[in-house]
Amino acid sequence: KNQVEQSPQSLIILEGKNCTLQCNYTVSPFSNLRWYKQDTGRGPVSLTIMTFSENTKSNGRYTATLDADTKQSSLHITASQLSDSASYICVVSSNDYKLSFGAGTTVTVRA
Amino acid sequence: NAGVTQTPKFQVLKTGQSMTLQCAQDMNHNSMYWYRQDPGMGLRLIYYSASEGTTDKGEVPNGYNVSRLNKREFSLRLESAAPSQTSVYFCASRRTEYNEQFFGPGTRLTVL
Repeated sequence: KNQVEQSPQSLIILEGKNCTLQCNYTVSPFSNLRWYKQDTGRGPVSLTIMTFSENTKSNGRYTATLDADTKQSSLHITASQLSDSASYICVVSSNDYKLSFGAGTTVTVRA
Repeated sequence: NAGVTQTPKFQVLKTGQSMTLQCAQDMNHNSMYWYRQDPGMGLRLIYYSASEGTTDKGEVPNGYNVSRLNKREFSLRLESAAPSQTSVYFCASRRTEYNEQFFGPGTRLTVL
């Protein structure tokens, strides 16, 4: 069964600090991996996408990495801001329509 | 360009009542999806429509029906709501490139 596991479940960081979220997956065959940001009460919005051949992708202060051999990805948030408080969801695509979703990591940034 | 829109935003039902969740997209995407999101779990696929006129079951279809009214609209119907259907429901449409899905704002449904 295709699975996506994220850690930690939640974390609290001080404004200006960095943090790293983890994603491990067993999805096969692998097509791409995407990180979504979901603000409270809103739908998920795509942050980054990586295919098999890519091992790092940045979007502003967000940097995602992918190790397709070990089936692990991480999302690093640099110099966190209050607006980074959200749930971050790892999503792995295996074919044209089917996506496997992680349960998400809830990040709370405190002033 | 509104993207994916959903109505209503919130709904409270009593057990056994029926309702339809509406979804529309203005990005000219062929594929549309309905998911539910429950605490501590990833989004789970209820139904999807690969193109106008077709629908298929996802991971958790029991208790739901769907209609792909036209290319823009994809509705989700609960015929006899149960407390287990209390959840947040998201509609999405898919852009073929990179298999990217765009999500609506969600409908928060409570069944008493």
